[in-house]
Amino acid sequence: GQNIDQPTEMTATEGAIVQINCTYQTSGFNGLFWYQQHAGEAPTFLSYNVLDGLEEKGRFSSFLSRSKGYSYLLLKELQMKDSASYLCAVPDSWGKLQFGAGTQVVVTP
Amino acid sequence: NAGVMQNPRHLVRRRGQEARLRCSPMKGHSHVYWYRQLPEEGLKFMVYLQKENIIDESGMPKERFSAEFPKEGPSILRIQQVVRGDSAAYFCASSPPLEEVNTGELFFGEGSRLTVL
Repeated sequence: GQNIDQPTEMTATEGAIVQINCTYQTSGFNGLFWYQQHAGEAPTFLSYNVLDGLEEKGRFSSFLSRSKGYSYLLLKELQMKDSASYLCAVPDSWGKLQFGAGTQVVVTP
Repeated sequence: NAGVMQNPRHLVRRRGQEARLRCSPMKGHSHVYWYRQLPEEGLKFMVYLQKENIIDESGMPKERFSAEFPKEGPSILRIQQVVRGDSAAYFCASSPPLEEVNTGELFFGEGSRLTVL
């Protein structure tokens, strides 16, 4: 099965950078996803990593190290609208996603 | 191209009543997943279905919960004799057929929020 750990909450100021770490244990690796979920809304896809290294997409970047079972999501130039929960997820061998509990990011003025 | 459609968005039931939640996947998607999210918690997998088949129901409670995805029509998550602990947001997600090249990304609906009084 999967075991996914990420911090519960992080607080940062507008314009700053925040790094959300995720560690996982899985019996077979099929990639790692990051989703964003605003309160009361559906999760939306942010990134997918299957190879080691950094994937950059605008203000958001995601990093993966398969040997360490570790990923992080980097949010740069934080904006108030980035206040949300960020979910780390890994698929099992059937393809269904198992989610971490989510990291609530609070952006302050 | 409509996304994943769920209804109702909000549902209120009294203890002992039945709740039926519907999900229409994105056009061309043949896989449906149901997740439950309790307040302040992460998404918990419940069941994975393809048309007329339950592929994985390892996350479904053994009693009162059932799911189907008929040949025609939406997928339905049915909760019988609801209790207060069933109050949660229920999210449906869909994905393309496995034979299509894709990352395995899931596309989520807006969720159905069940409140049991």
